[in-house]
Amino acid sequence: IQLTQSPSSLSASVGDRVTITCRASEGINSFLAWFQQHPGKPPKLLIYAASILHTGVPARFSGSGSGTDFTLTIRSLEPEDFATYYCQQFNDYPRTFGGGTKVEI
Amino acid sequence: QVQLLQSGADVKKPGSSVKVSCKASGGTFDTFSNYAFTWVRQAPGQGLEWMGEIVPVFGTTKYAPELQGRVTITADESTSTAYMELSSLRSDDTAVYYCARGGDLSYWGQGTLLTVTA
Repeated sequence: IQLTQSPSSLSASVGDRVTITCRASEGINSFLAWFQQHPGKPPKLLIYAASILHTGVPARFSGSGSGTDFTLTIRSLEPEDFATYYCQQFNDYPRTFGGGTKVEI
Repeated sequence: QVQLLQSGADVKKPGSSVKVSCKASGGTFDTFSNYAFTWVRQAPGQGLEWMGEIVPVFGTTKYAPELQGRVTITADESTSTAYMELSSLRSDDTAVYYCARGGDLSYWGQGTLLTVTA
């Protein structure tokens, strides 16, 4: 299953609303997770099952979608949100990641 | 608090093998056996690549097709340690290798840099 993220990068400012999309090549129900990665650090789980916020993740992050189309929304960007974001599908093996979206200042 | 501690950076020659470890600790009750342990790698400046996983209590494994035959994931329940062995190393295997716990990859190791160079 291929996951296509868009855009591959974006420029935004603190306080902006940001939306990242992830499209699956076939239906994956809601078996999708979103991760955030800062340079030199391991990824961190933000959202699983498409829309469930992981423990400790700020409420400005939200996820939606099912089937083939998914979105990650950051309601109001904070300085620590500038990072790369990845989606991953858990519907089938092999698990696959999207190509990533870099959110830059 | 669950922690995954990976083995240190390594330098290997093309054609050789490497074995990276990932030791789980902390948390409550069972931190290891009943969870899937996944290996993910990231080449310099590139995205995340799923390599495979193991569920220690069952010993079942799944691998990425492009790595099948070169990668072996094992687990030692007595030491709560998962291992990833990669053979016939090539220069494009140079990457940071991560282990992660759970079907949702909710906990990650710190990463292990593998450099493959002649």
